[in-house]
Amino acid sequence: QVQLVQSGGGVVQPGRSLRLSCAASGFTFNTYIMHWVRQPPGKGLEWVALISFAGDKEYYADSVKGRFAISRDNSKNTLYLQLNSLTADDTAVYYCARALSPRAHNDFWGQGTLVTVSS
Amino acid sequence: QSVLTQPTSVSGTPGQRVTISCSGGSSNIGSSTVNWYQQVPGTAPTVLIFSNNERPSGVPDRFSGSKSGTSASLAISGLQSEDEADYYCAAWDDSLKSWVFGGGTKLTVL
Repeated sequence: QVQLVQSGGGVVQPGRSLRLSCAASGFTFNTYIMHWVRQPPGKGLEWVALISFAGDKEYYADSVKGRFAISRDNSKNTLYLQLNSLTADDTAVYYCARALSPRAHNDFWGQGTLVTVSS
Repeated sequence: QSVLTQPTSVSGTPGQRVTISCSGGSSNIGSSTVNWYQQVPGTAPTVLIFSNNERPSGVPDRFSGSKSGTSASLAISGLQSEDEADYYCAAWDDSLKSWVFGGGTKLTVL
């Protein structure tokens, strides 16, 4: 069955870095666009980034551009999000999600992982 | 402030029909299809409606979507207690070159 298993969340100090992972199984990973979407505590969903099938094209929300980097390793069926220069505003549950194309809906989501930025 | 505008909350009684609106602009809803997601608090979102009005398999036909111009709507008929959740609209924005979500609508079944 389709699975997106996330890891890498935790508590991190402001200004530090963190890397999130999303391990895919049960489907052909390199035939899906992959996204990261986040949700601050008690707030709504915010799209973060997407990456192309081969990993050669990326799009980012303005709020994270230049600080976050999305990447994928199709040989390991794994999606990553490198979070740098973290601030308290980056505190959120981060979800990975797949889509059949860049303009398609997210038909399956990971379970989410909490990132807390605090000193 | 979200690019797409949704009411903060809606409510209804069992069996009733409710609608949730999603208002955007020419660069997002006006030029792209709209998706709707349902999120039960503490869980990941799931797609409810995609491409304006398509239902994934397993989603009851009580849920329907529509789009006109720069606005979209989600309608839920025959309201049930298990429909109590948060609902989000989403669309690609051609100007921002990013996906945008509505702020979310909390549905309460009275």
